[in-house]
Amino acid sequence: DQQVKQNSPSLSVQEGRISILNCDYTNSMFDYFLWYKKYPAEGPTFLISISSIKDKNEDGRFTVFLNKSAKHLSLHIVPSQPGDSAVYFCAATGGTYKYIFGTGTRLKVLA
Amino acid sequence: KAGVTQTPRYLIKTRGQQVTLSCSPISGHRSVSWYQQTPGQGLQFLFEYFSETQRNKGNFPGRFSGRQFSNSRSEMNVSTLELGDSALYLCASSETGTHNEKLFFGSGTQLSVL
Repeated sequence: DQQVKQNSPSLSVQEGRISILNCDYTNSMFDYFLWYKKYPAEGPTFLISISSIKDKNEDGRFTVFLNKSAKHLSLHIVPSQPGDSAVYFCAATGGTYKYIFGTGTRLKVLA
Repeated sequence: KAGVTQTPRYLIKTRGQQVTLSCSPISGHRSVSWYQQTPGQGLQFLFEYFSETQRNKGNFPGRFSGRQFSNSRSEMNVSTLELGDSALYLCASSETGTHNEKLFFGSGTQLSVL
């Protein structure tokens, strides 16, 4: 069973517009969530994180929102740039669980 | 600081063979985790080592094993390779492996099983 789900395998957005990537989780034990970005032929790199005691965390163009009641988090990228084109993974940890990753969403930002 | 280094970058093996992958973590990092990435499956956790001891294990068959040395370097071994083992194998390190620590990934080893 997939405890962390990214239901959109791909997303295309025009440059300058907002990109919204979504992630759902099922396990209430998760208390820390992260987003990683992955370019081809490279390992994933950390982007932004959020603790379950918060509902929003912002870092420059990147904002992560957490809705605990819905067990849903989203990553907003504003404005989107062509260099943001990559695969984005959300991950959750907590309790005895170490880093459960979603299946990833491939973002393509069109110039 | 040098990043996480994985060798080799690419490997081609045939069914039934075994393979060993290597990972050197960031200096000072004592926790090393291994992940398998396949299309549509995301990153699947294999195992985590800390101070030469396996601390966590994912849901993979016993053909997948690993170890960690006193210098924190880690190796992963897959025996009796199957076609389905073709994947990108990623190693990640962190300082102590606590659950809210950032992971730093290597570029991975792309394994193809023919």
